[in-house]
Amino acid sequence: EAGVTQFPSHSVIEKGQTVTLRCDPISGHDNLYWYRRVMGKEIKFLLHFVKESKQDESGMPNNRFLAERTGGTYSTLKVQPAELEDSGVYFCASSRGGGEKLFFGSGTQLSVL
Amino acid sequence: QKEVEQNSGPLSVPEGAIASLNCTYSDRGSQSFFWYRQYSGKSPELIMSIYSNGDKEDGRFTAQLNKASQYVSLLIRDSQPSDSATYLCAVNGYPGANNLFFGTGTRLTVIP
Repeated sequence: EAGVTQFPSHSVIEKGQTVTLRCDPISGHDNLYWYRRVMGKEIKFLLHFVKESKQDESGMPNNRFLAERTGGTYSTLKVQPAELEDSGVYFCASSRGGGEKLFFGSGTQLSVL
Repeated sequence: QKEVEQNSGPLSVPEGAIASLNCTYSDRGSQSFFWYRQYSGKSPELIMSIYSNGDKEDGRFTAQLNKASQYVSLLIRDSQPSDSATYLCAVNGYPGANNLFFGTGTRLTVIP
């Protein structure tokens, strides 16, 4: 069974540009989460999808971040325009049920210069 | 804002020793507690979950929870060099969901 996959693994962009991160959850997992770790800090929750619906987006930092999960399969996280403080590792995770075991992807390292 | 505190380490133990990792949390209402292991450049991997006071053992790993003291720990017996990784403590903020609050992690090195 394939795990949670994320694309790209690394992205280097300039301040003001747009970046789109993609996450493919494990097949059959209705619950999809985005997390972020900025340097020196803890991993922080961004938002939670149940199928295509946003269940909780309380962790989204501001309106420059837009997450979608069309069709309830893969998800994208777009940052537009990117700022320096957006640099960090963006993790996607999925679980079959709401409180069931959470599987993480290996993350996208985003560097905004 | 819920907080989860861990010693960042690094923690070094000799091979075969017991490694003890500690974590405290701020929200007394927290119900689910997790330990994740993360190798450098890899994804966090769940190794233990605990929900009630006391000890929970799984192979060489034992998780301990004390809700009165808001304290959760992870013991690794017979530590192996392959256990060298960052260990993340996480607390569930909401029942039935995985909106987790993480600590910054403790880096463990097992010396052969």
